[in-house]
Amino acid sequence: NAGVTQTPKFQVLKTGQSMTLQCAQDMNHNSMYWYRQDPGMGLRLIYYSASEGTTDKGEVPNGYNVSRLNKREFSLRLESAAPSQTSVYFCASSEVGSSYEQYFGPGTRLTVT
Amino acid sequence: DQQVKQNSPSLSVQEGRISILNCDYTNSMFDYFLWYKKYPAEGPTFLISISSIKDKNEDGRFTVFLNKSAKHLSLHIVPSQPGDSAVYFCAGGTSYGKLTFGQGTILTVHP
Repeated sequence: NAGVTQTPKFQVLKTGQSMTLQCAQDMNHNSMYWYRQDPGMGLRLIYYSASEGTTDKGEVPNGYNVSRLNKREFSLRLESAAPSQTSVYFCASSEVGSSYEQYFGPGTRLTVT
Repeated sequence: DQQVKQNSPSLSVQEGRISILNCDYTNSMFDYFLWYKKYPAEGPTFLISISSIKDKNEDGRFTVFLNKSAKHLSLHIVPSQPGDSAVYFCAGGTSYGKLTFGQGTILTVHP
């Protein structure tokens, strides 16, 4: 069991470039999430998908789009990267039940110059 | 509006002593509270949780206390070990399993 995997691990973009961050989970979870972590800000929810075929905005969705490709995969796209999107991005999954425990991937460190 | 706050950016403790990490929240709709631990260059890992209808949950060296009237929770680690050195995040959980995280507290346990 790989759990939650994310690609790439590191990425450097120039302002205005686009890219897609990939996330996959093998735990058969229904719900998936994208967060960003910035110094002193904790983890902030960008988008989430409660189940296959649905996506909803989180706390900081501007500048991002998502696709829930199937039950396993949830991708995050930056259409026109900005320096303010320099961050560490985490994908997570969960089976909503009694405890809301989420399982996180190792993260993607993105720098936009 | 920061719904979950961890007011101490860092905490330093001697090995074998108790570590107490604190968290305050404002959202009364949280059903669950969770603590996550994060090492550098890794994703957060789940540590312990507590339902909003309970006031204490214990798992080995880790105990979480919830004071609903004060909207405050704390994580106690006894005894602290150098391997506990990490960033600790508290989080509140609502519908669809959405979590709202605090800013994190860096715990350093000295040998």
